[in-house]
Amino acid sequence: NAGVTQTPKFRVLKTGQSMTLLCAQDMNHEYMYWYRQDPGMGLRLIHYSVGEGTTAKGEVPDGYNVSRLKKQNFLLGLESAAPSQTSVYFCASSVPGTGGRGYTFGSGTRLTVV
Amino acid sequence: AQSVSQHNHHVILSEAASLELGCNYSYGGTVNLFWYVQYPGQHLQLLLKYFSGDPLVKGIKGFEAEFIKSKFSFNLRKPSVQWSDTAEYFCAVILNSGNTPLVFGKGTRLSVIA
Repeated sequence: NAGVTQTPKFRVLKTGQSMTLLCAQDMNHEYMYWYRQDPGMGLRLIHYSVGEGTTAKGEVPDGYNVSRLKKQNFLLGLESAAPSQTSVYFCASSVPGTGGRGYTFGSGTRLTVV
Repeated sequence: AQSVSQHNHHVILSEAASLELGCNYSYGGTVNLFWYVQYPGQHLQLLLKYFSGDPLVKGIKGFEAEFIKSKFSFNLRKPSVQWSDTAEYFCAVILNSGNTPLVFGKGTRLSVIA
């Protein structure tokens, strides 16, 4: 049982390049989230999804797009990467209405934009 | 909007010293509270959580936290820290209904020196 799996684990991009981060969960969780972690800033919510085909903006959505075409997958896209997007990205999933009981995090993707 | 404040950005302690990390949240409704730990180079791990009942909760590795509703606080404590406790600690809050994302504080970096 893998839980939440993020791919890739590491990536270096040049400014202006695009890429997609994949988050996959096998727990049949309805809700999925993308956070970014930066030194001194904690984890900030980028986008989230409350179900297949739905997405919503979080605290820091600019420069990112997301899609939830299948319940088990949540994709985070960077259309034109900028150095300010250098960060560690965490995906998470949860069951609605459980008050965070089932909140499960992936192991993170370290992205460097040069 | 919910917010979480962690007052200490970096704490340096000697081994065997006692630890208390502050956490305050701004939301006045019914919330669930969490402390997560991130060891160097690793992903987030749940230390402990509070949902209801006894406001003093015990977690893994000898950590405990006390929920004081009147102060909107959920401080983390450990009577005697070890070098292996060197890590970053994050306080997080979520509505009891669990239908909104987890909100994190900015984190406190703990360095334990021999």
